[in-house]
Amino acid sequence: AQSVTQLDSHVSVSEGTPVLLRCNYSSSYSPSLFWYVQHPNKGLQLLLKYTSAATLVKGINGFEAEFKKSETSFHLTKPSAHMSDAAEYFCVVTYNNAGNMLTFGGGTRLMVKP
Amino acid sequence: ETGVTQTPRHLVMGMTNKKSLKCEQHLGHNAMYWYKQSAKKPLELMFVYSLEERVENNSVPSRFSPECPNSSHLFLHLHTLQPEDSALYLCASSQDLAVNTGELFFGEGSRLTVL
Repeated sequence: AQSVTQLDSHVSVSEGTPVLLRCNYSSSYSPSLFWYVQHPNKGLQLLLKYTSAATLVKGINGFEAEFKKSETSFHLTKPSAHMSDAAEYFCVVTYNNAGNMLTFGGGTRLMVKP
Repeated sequence: ETGVTQTPRHLVMGMTNKKSLKCEQHLGHNAMYWYKQSAKKPLELMFVYSLEERVENNSVPSRFSPECPNSSHLFLHLHTLQPEDSALYLCASSQDLAVNTGELFFGEGSRLTVL
């Protein structure tokens, strides 16, 4: 069964400092990986996706993620946090043989201090 | 106009009530989904529809009944719910069912409280 683990339920950074949100997935077949963001009282929005092309993926709002097969990781980073980045972030995995199933991680709440 | 619209945004109901959640997508997508988001739990897929036919039902209790009258509209009918059903119910759509290469577009959710 596919699974995805977000290692931190909460991350707090100061504005202007780097952001690192960690995600590990179960190793099986070739995954497609996504990061979604959910701002308060809003639906989820796709930040970026990896589908077996370039391992370093750039997304919206300055976020990027690197697919590392040897570490089964897909960590989300941003060089400099902005107050508007405060939200919940979800790492999501699916596989070519998984049909319609997207598996969501438990989420990481990012807090940005002024 | 947002791509995926859900109504109502908030709903409080008793355990004996019957209510419905509505979702409408203006994106011309062929697939629609219901997800349940509970506190401290990962997002749970409930139902998937493709071209108005149900293609996935993840062991959801029968007190939740979906309806997809056309490719733009999706309903979730609620009947004799339990307090543990209180959650944020999210509707999403995608161009096709190929979610491994595609993107889900989510509505803002319907916050349900069951008393």
